[in-house]
Amino acid sequence: GAGVSQSPRYKVAKRGQDVALRCDPISGHVSLFWYQQALGQGPEFLTYFQNEAQLDKSGLPSDRFFAERPEGSVSTLKIQRTQQEDSAVYLCASSLESTTRDYEQYFGPGTRLTVT
Amino acid sequence: AQSVAQPEDQVKVAEGNPLTVKCTYSVSGNPYLFWYVQYPNRGLQFLLKYITGDNLVKGSYGFEAEFNKSQTSFHLKKPSALVSDSALYFCAVTGSYIPTFGRGTSLIVHP
Repeated sequence: GAGVSQSPRYKVAKRGQDVALRCDPISGHVSLFWYQQALGQGPEFLTYFQNEAQLDKSGLPSDRFFAERPEGSVSTLKIQRTQQEDSAVYLCASSLESTTRDYEQYFGPGTRLTVT
Repeated sequence: AQSVAQPEDQVKVAEGNPLTVKCTYSVSGNPYLFWYVQYPNRGLQFLLKYITGDNLVKGSYGFEAEFNKSQTSFHLKKPSALVSDSALYFCAVTGSYIPTFGRGTSLIVHP
């Protein structure tokens, strides 16, 4: 079956540009997470959705970062006025249930963002 | 606050030998522990998890992990390594609902 997909896979942006990263979770998965993975590091939590509700955005590094999941399926992570420190791989993951601590997450391949 | 430590950046073993990838954690309350594997240019894939019950957990591809509450450890093991096991391995702990991942350990299995 289809897994989690992300697009684009690679994105090069000039400093100051806005970018939008898309995540298509597994159909029927309630929970959706966004992570930022810097080179040589593990994924760092950004934000969490349960269906269309954004329940936690405590990991977003600044108000330039915005995420939405308006119909409870596809999600978009938007970064405004990109900075060089935003360069990283952005991972999306979905999970079947809302009680996420018990359940494993299914990860997409990630979007590698390079800000020049 | 919860945290995960993977003390080895890299582990090298010969094919056919047993392997261990170490993980220790810190969390308030009961830990929910996970191992994921990441191949180049691919997302993380779930290997196994400990929620409750038997301390020895068996997972995908012949991997297993042992939960040790007194040592707050959850080491990943495999009795006989394959070259195809070479990848990046991440340990994660969840106390509430947000997982915290370790930095990852690069496993290299040489022929």
